[in-house]
Amino acid sequence: GNSVTQMEGPVTLSEEAFLTINCTYTATGYPSLFWYVQYPGEGLQLLLKATKADDKGSNKGFEATYRKETTSFHLEKGSVQVSDSAVYFCALPSGTYKYIFGTGTRLKVLA
Amino acid sequence: ETGVTQSPTHLIKTRGQQVTLRCSSQSGHNTVSWYQQALGQGPQFIFQYYREEENGRGNFPPRFSGLQFPNYSSELNVNALELDDSALYLCASSGPGTAPSGANVLTFGAGSRLTVL
Repeated sequence: GNSVTQMEGPVTLSEEAFLTINCTYTATGYPSLFWYVQYPGEGLQLLLKATKADDKGSNKGFEATYRKETTSFHLEKGSVQVSDSAVYFCALPSGTYKYIFGTGTRLKVLA
Repeated sequence: ETGVTQSPTHLIKTRGQQVTLRCSSQSGHNTVSWYQQALGQGPQFIFQYYREEENGRGNFPPRFSGLQFPNYSSELNVNALELDDSALYLCASSGPGTAPSGANVLTFGAGSRLTVL
C-alpha cells in the first residue's frame, strides 16, 4: 500500500528563517498529495495540496511541489512567523477511502 | 458554512468502560471518517461511513464501532476500553462521494480527547 515518510522534529527556527520539512512517499500511480497543519489544541486543517506531478500547491506563504522523480513533496516557507508554530503532516490517499498520514513534524518559531 | 463539530471535547473513562463520541459533518458533506491520533503520532484511519453504512475499515478491533445518521452526523463507539485507547479521536467529513482525491479532501473537527485510566 501507499506510505509516507516525514522528517522528524522538532524543528526550532527563529522568526523570518527559511523552513523546509521533508516528505517522501511510496504510491501506486500518482495520487494527490497533501499537507495538513495542526495548531495546539485543534484538529487538522488542510494547508495545501497538489493533484498531479509537477504541480505546486501554495497557501499562506507555504509551498510544496509534487516531484515524481524523487517521490517527494517537501514543504517550504521563505520566512516563518511565530504564528506558524504547529505540527505539520504530510498525507496521501491509500485505497478507495482512507488517507495515510506521516508522523508529523513539530515546528517551533522563536521571536 | 458550518464546519465539523465534535463532542465531547475531553473525557476521562476507566478501563473496561464504554464511550460514545459524536460528530456533525460539514454542510454538503455526506461521508464521515474517523481517525485515532495517539500522542506524538499521525492520525490512523479507523473507518468511514457513507449512506449510513460502514464503507471501509482500518486495522482496529470490532469493539470500535460506528453509526451514521440520515443527516450525515456520526457516532464512534468504543467498548471495553483499554489504556491504549487514550488518544485524540478525529472526525472528518468529505464529499460528495467517498474516494479521496484532490477534489474530495477531508475537513476535520477539533477532536475528542479520550483519557483511559
